Amino acid sequence: EDQVTQSPEALRLQEGESSSLNCSYTVSGLRGLFWYRQDPGKGPEFLFTLYSAGEEKEKERLKATLTKKESFLHITAPKPEDSATYLCAVQASGHFNKFYFGSGTKLNVKP
Amino acid sequence: GAVVSQHPSWVICKSGTSVKIECRSLDFQATTMFWYRQFPKQSLMLMATSNEGSKATYEQGVEKDKFLINHASLTLSTLTVTSAHPEDSSFYICSAEQTFKETQYFGPGTRLLVL
Repeated sequence: EDQVTQSPEALRLQEGESSSLNCSYTVSGLRGLFWYRQDPGKGPEFLFTLYSAGEEKEKERLKATLTKKESFLHITAPKPEDSATYLCAVQASGHFNKFYFGSGTKLNVKP
Repeated sequence: GAVVSQHPSWVICKSGTSVKIECRSLDFQATTMFWYRQFPKQSLMLMATSNEGSKATYEQGVEKDKFLINHASLTLSTLTVTSAHPEDSSFYICSAEQTFKETQYFGPGTRLLVL
C-alpha cells in the first residue's frame, strides 16, 4: 500500500536555528515527490518537485533532497515568516495523477 | 504564473440547501482538477479527480450524488454540495494540474459552514 509519513509532527526552532523535515514514502513506482507550504486558512503553496534519487532543489532558505525512500526539506537559518505547515505529497505510477499527502510538519520559528 | 482561484472564499448556508464552489485556473489550462477536503489540523483528503469533458472519479467513501463535480472547460471546475448538512462543514480546496505537467497548483480554499 502506498504510504507517505512525515516527521516530526511539529517543530519549534529559534530564528537562525537550522533543521530538517523528513518525508518517508513507500510507493510502487515514484513519478514525483512534491513539497508544499500551507499557512493557516489558506491553500497549499507549491515549493518543489523532485523526480529521481539524488536530485536537489533550492529556494531561498529551503533545500529539498530525495533518496529512494525519503525526502528531506532542509531549512537554513529560518526566520519567523517561515512558520507554516509543510506538506509532502507523492505521485505514484499507475495511479494516474493522484497525490498521496503526508500529514504535514507544523514549523514554528521564534524570533 | 500558475494561479488558481476559488469562489466563494467562505459561505454560510442553512441545512438542506445546495452550495456551488468554483475553481478556476487563471493563467494556464488544466485538463485535470482535484477536489480536496481538509479538517482542522489534518492533512488534505482527496475527494475526487475531475477531467475536462468527462465524469469525475470519486474516492472510496465519497458520495458522488452529494458532491457533484463538473469540469466543463479547461479552466473551470465546480463542486456542488447538495442538500448540505452540518457534517459537510469543512475547508474545501481545489487544485489544477497544468496540462502535460505533474505539478498541482492549489486554490486558496473555500470554508463552508452549514447551520
